[in-house]
Amino acid sequence: AQSVTQLDSQVPVFEEAPVELRCNYSSSVSVYLFWYVQYPNQGLQLLLKYLSGSTLVKGINGFEAEFNKSQTSFHLRKPSVHISDTAEYFCAVSGDGNEKLTFGTGTRLTIIP
Amino acid sequence: NAGVMQNPRHLVRRRGQEARLRCSPMKGHSHVYWYRQLPEEGLKFMVYLQKENIIDESGMPKERFSAEFPKEGPSILRIQQVVRGDSAAYFCASSPRGGPNNEQFFGPGTRLTVL
Repeated sequence: AQSVTQLDSQVPVFEEAPVELRCNYSSSVSVYLFWYVQYPNQGLQLLLKYLSGSTLVKGINGFEAEFNKSQTSFHLRKPSVHISDTAEYFCAVSGDGNEKLTFGTGTRLTIIP
Repeated sequence: NAGVMQNPRHLVRRRGQEARLRCSPMKGHSHVYWYRQLPEEGLKFMVYLQKENIIDESGMPKERFSAEFPKEGPSILRIQQVVRGDSAAYFCASSPRGGPNNEQFFGPGTRLTVL
């Protein structure tokens, strides 16, 4: 069975500072990894995804993530955050014969002016 | 190309009533997924449907919940005899093809409140 762990439920960061949101997964076979962002009272928007190939994945809004198979991690990073990045971020995994996405519990990113 | 549409956006029901949530996938998408988000939690998979077929309903509660995706019209998630614990945001996602490596496009959600 698949699972996703997002250890940090809330992350406060000063504007223009870098940020890393952590994600660890467990799965017995090949996985596909995703990061979604949810703005207040809205649906989820895909930030980036790892399917295969290069382990460094670049997404929208200046975000990137690195797939680390040995550490079963897929941490999300941004070198300089903006107020508009305030949102909830969800890491998700699919694969292992499953179509469905298994989500972590989310990390609330708060940008401090 | 319009995105995934869900209606209503907000739904209030009293205990014991029925709730019907609708999802119109993106044009050309024949795969629909329903997820539920309880307060302060992540999304939990409920059901995966293709046109006229339920492919995976492993996340659906055994009673009171049902889903369909008819040949014509939107996908419907139906909750009978709602209880307070059903209060949540229900999200629909669609994709053009099956397979775990295909991006799922999410709708804005329906927020169900059970009084």
